[in-house]
Amino acid sequence: QVQLVQSGAEVKEPGASVRVSCKASGDAFNRNDFNWVRQATGQGLEWMGWMNPQSGTTGYAQKFQGRVTMTRDTSITTVYMELRGLRSADTATYYCARRYCDNDRCRDAFDIWGQGTMVTVSS
Amino acid sequence: SYELTQPPSVSVSPGQTATISCSGDKLGERFASWYQQKPGQSPVLVLFQDNKRPSGIPERFSGSNSGNTATLTISGTQVTDEADYYCQVWDSKFYVFGTGTKVTVL
Repeated sequence: QVQLVQSGAEVKEPGASVRVSCKASGDAFNRNDFNWVRQATGQGLEWMGWMNPQSGTTGYAQKFQGRVTMTRDTSITTVYMELRGLRSADTATYYCARRYCDNDRCRDAFDIWGQGTMVTVSS
Repeated sequence: SYELTQPPSVSVSPGQTATISCSGDKLGERFASWYQQKPGQSPVLVLFQDNKRPSGIPERFSGSNSGNTATLTISGTQVTDEADYYCQVWDSKFYVFGTGTKVTVL
């Protein structure tokens, strides 16, 4: 059973950085890209970026360019998302999500999601 | 930047059909996906490539996409379908989510 298990909740002061991890179990670390999506309380989903864990290639939403970095450690099948220069507006639940690939090809959809990591930015 | 607009809320009676729209410029030229999110839970993929259901998603979930509008249809809506629903597309370099629709079953 494929699972994505994220790190625990974080509380950070404004201006600090946070790194959230997402460990993939099962067969989740092959050709699939991993994405990061965030959701402020009571708000919608906001895509932040993607990473291919095999090549390390990344793509970031324009809003987060220069402030976010996605990395991975293939030896422990874990991807990371670091967000710098935190402000109160970054308070949200952060999800990692795997791009859906079936036998034929990879689709523009996310089939497996982590449980979410709450990040609170407060002084 | 590309935008997807959904109605904030849709109400439906149990057993009836719920229709959720997602509007965007030339949306029909892209593949739309749909997610269901219940309170306190992570999103769940219910449709991809406009109308394909992942394994385990009931047949009552169906979709279409043409022109500027993608549509998620829930036939024979059940109380357990009450949730927020989001559409999503890939816009050349970025993924975009819709604004979200709260479906109330009453």
